[in-house]
Amino acid sequence: GAVVSQHPSWVICKSGTSVKIECRSLDFQATTMFWYRQFPKQSLMLMATSNEGSKATYEQGVEKDKFLINHASLTLSTLTVTSAHPEDSSFYICSAPFPLLAKNIQYFGAGTRLSVL
Amino acid sequence: AQSVAQPEDQVNVAEGNPLTVKCTYSVSGNPYLFWYVQYPNRGLQFLLKYITGDNLVKGSYGFEAEFNKSQTSFHLKKPSALVSDSALYFCAVRFHGGATNKLIFGTGTLLAVQP
Repeated sequence: GAVVSQHPSWVICKSGTSVKIECRSLDFQATTMFWYRQFPKQSLMLMATSNEGSKATYEQGVEKDKFLINHASLTLSTLTVTSAHPEDSSFYICSAPFPLLAKNIQYFGAGTRLSVL
Repeated sequence: AQSVAQPEDQVNVAEGNPLTVKCTYSVSGNPYLFWYVQYPNRGLQFLLKYITGDNLVKGSYGFEAEFNKSQTSFHLKKPSALVSDSALYFCAVRFHGGATNKLIFGTGTLLAVQP
């Protein structure tokens, strides 16, 4: 079964509104989670590293005021796309490294497809 | 700079035939290498990994990959392809330095298995 849950799976919003995407680790604690963006038929682009209890680390070129990340607990990270525009339409995926023996493996959420009208 | 390359955008293979999806890497130090599969509109699923030990790594769904240090490759293989194997496959290398477990992904290879 899934070890990382992502919600919602699909969201449609109007231009200018904000959208929140949740990423939860199920039955394990994740002090770090990762947020990716994927364009059609392209690879995953790492947007930021979400750190529990501290600020997220953003990759070069990613607007931190545009993509707000909050990692308020050991099992939940949220990505908020603020003032969304059509160019923000994409597939957003989160991941969390599974701890202990399998700590090198990242488990991914099912993704969120964002469509901005 | 650490990177991973998947030279083929798409691989076509007939069902029952062996398949290979290629991956080469460039890292400083010992590489941690991974293969993930993605089905349409889904997140990535872990297939297998190489950290250390035997060069031939066996993973989920009958897939395996061979780590070749001299050729800096980590090709994904399966002896007999299934139509259900059709998906997008990503090779990834773990980034050394900075955040733990940060992955760098290749551009992906679409595997199409014809019945």
